[in-house]
Amino acid sequence: EIVMTQSPPTLSVSPGERATLSCRASQSVSSNLAWYQQRPGQAPRLLIYGASTRATGIPARFSGSGSGTEFTLTISSLQSEDFAVYYCQQYNKWPSWTFGQGTKVEIK
Amino acid sequence: EVQLVESGGGLVQPGGSLRLSCAASGFTFTTFAMGWVRQAPGKGLECVSAISGSGGDTYYADSVKGRFTISRDNSKNTLYLQMNSLTAEDTAVYYCAKYTSLYPTYNWFDPWGQGALVTVSS
Repeated sequence: EIVMTQSPPTLSVSPGERATLSCRASQSVSSNLAWYQQRPGQAPRLLIYGASTRATGIPARFSGSGSGTEFTLTISSLQSEDFAVYYCQQYNKWPSWTFGQGTKVEIK
Repeated sequence: EVQLVESGGGLVQPGGSLRLSCAASGFTFTTFAMGWVRQAPGKGLECVSAISGSGGDTYYADSVKGRFTISRDNSKNTLYLQMNSLTAEDTAVYYCAKYTSLYPTYNWFDPWGQGALVTVSS
């Protein structure tokens, strides 16, 4: 099983500041990585797929980068609605897709 | 607009069974693989099961293999998850999610349903 490790577990950021979230895979997943946002009490929502492609309707302040084993999600200027938990997911290894444990972005 | 609406969650005793349903609308159901992802209280996400658009290919996480069965009725645009021999470790919100092509290989989830809570307790 490919283990996805996200860091940090919690990120405290002030509104308007930049947030950088990391995701590391235990083996290469190429660019087969997605990022999801989960607000409290809601279902996850797709933000990024293919490591760097924004999903439909996702604001440009969200960007993804990386390939192989190291990935980054950047939120350029945090808005109030961006405080949530973010998960990375690899979909390179069929049939075992795995998620990271999540990074909670909270208000500083 | 794509909509996924789960139903069938609830409280069940250990060793019991439950069937979840997911009613899909807003897209051509038969042309997309579907999956179930669960989230235990306060925990992360786990892919539980997936099924191809035709229903001919299925996948199960080791944690549910032999106990859960995924199926779909393409005439009713509905996805199912039959859960047997339930234990406390199966307590979670179960999300129905759509893949972006016919097979789940090299594919991500978009969108997700609102989730159905399954509580296994005596």
